[in-house]
Amino acid sequence: GAGVSQSPSNKVTEKGKDVELRCDPISGHTALYWYRQRLGQGLEFLIYFQGNSAPDKSGLPSDRFSAERTGESVSTLTIQRTQQEDSAVYLCASSSNRGLAGPQHFGDGTRLSIL
Amino acid sequence: SQQGEEDPQALSIQEGENATMNCSYKTSINNLQWYRQNSGRGLVHLILIRSNEREKHSGRLRVTLDTSKKSSSLLITASRAADTASYFCATMGGANSKLTFGKGITLSVRP
Repeated sequence: GAGVSQSPSNKVTEKGKDVELRCDPISGHTALYWYRQRLGQGLEFLIYFQGNSAPDKSGLPSDRFSAERTGESVSTLTIQRTQQEDSAVYLCASSSNRGLAGPQHFGDGTRLSIL
Repeated sequence: SQQGEEDPQALSIQEGENATMNCSYKTSINNLQWYRQNSGRGLVHLILIRSNEREKHSGRLRVTLDTSKKSSSLLITASRAADTASYFCATMGGANSKLTFGKGITLSVRP
């Protein structure tokens, strides 16, 4: 079956512009996560959606970052007034259940470059 | 702050040799997971070990967990060039489903 799909795969934009990144999770997965990965680093948690519960936004680095999810489907991560420090790979993951704390399935990410 | 800390940061071995990677963490966990990341790709889940388990196998992979030492190891036996990748350990606490990742280990397997 289809895995987690992210678009665009690459995005180059000028400092100060807004960007919107999209994630299509695996169908039926109730949990969805966004992470940021800087070059040569591990993953930095940004935000977590679980079903219709209020999202866990504790990892968002500033109010320029926001994310939405429609039901248990597509999610978009928006970065407003981008800065050069926002350059990174943004990874999305989904998982099928929360209570059992199972594995996460990742997309290939969006590589964001801020000029 | 990152919970899992992998060791070594980089490992280079000959094809056919075994690769051992270690992970240490600081707080109590529900489970610990290992992931692989090939260059330019997302992470792929390899194996999950729960806090009440001590050892787990999956193909050429063997994971151990020592909760008293707050450490885990990932052993890849009979390595192949295709095993070349970055490997991350990630811990999951009990109260939520957030995974906390380490910085990763870069494994190079020379043909």
